[in-house]
Amino acid sequence: KAGVTQTPRYLIKTRGQQVTLSCSPISGHRSVSWYQQTPGQGLQFLFEYFSETQRNKGNFPGRFSGRQFSNSRSEMNVSTLELGDSALYLCASSSSGFQETQYFGPGTRLLVL
Amino acid sequence: GENVEQHPSTLSVQEGDSAVIKCTYSDSASNYFPWYKQELGKRPQLIIDIRSNVGEKKDQRIAVTLNKTAKHFSLHITETQPEDSAVYFCAASISGGSYIPTFGRGTSLIVHP
Repeated sequence: KAGVTQTPRYLIKTRGQQVTLSCSPISGHRSVSWYQQTPGQGLQFLFEYFSETQRNKGNFPGRFSGRQFSNSRSEMNVSTLELGDSALYLCASSSSGFQETQYFGPGTRLLVL
Repeated sequence: GENVEQHPSTLSVQEGDSAVIKCTYSDSASNYFPWYKQELGKRPQLIIDIRSNVGEKKDQRIAVTLNKTAKHFSLHITETQPEDSAVYFCAASISGGSYIPTFGRGTSLIVHP
């Protein structure tokens, strides 16, 4: 099976802009989770989508949003970018959720200038 | 919410030695504890996990132990090899439809040949 893919891999934006990141899960996986990874805060859970519904949400402001399509592909959007949003954004897919083996994508590295 | 502390932040060992990384959690309701390995520039990968109804789990050179009373769990790597060099993350979550996985800050393991 093909692994989890994320696009784009690298992105440079300026403050105030918005960005959309995409994640294609492993075929057959219905759960997609998003994480933010920074040197200062480590790995933090953003949200999880399952069958097109947001099932869980971490402690991030409303500027961070996401959605999932009927083919399980997921997008996350960050509006009004701030310098502190610079991070590696990882998505992970699993068959049913976090308590099953999660397979991570390569990540999208976002730099906000 | 849940708080996960991970120690040490850096661990340097000689090839062939054992390595132990410890995590403590705060929420006694947490019942799923995975460990992830992230090599430099690569995506995190699940290496072993344990659920609260089990005290210990082994997979070749890797083992995880769980002490529910003390609310801590540890990763044990025996006969370390240079390819074990990576950042290791622990996490804790609660099963069920609603979960927010909480991660430790990571341990950088360096195995010297």
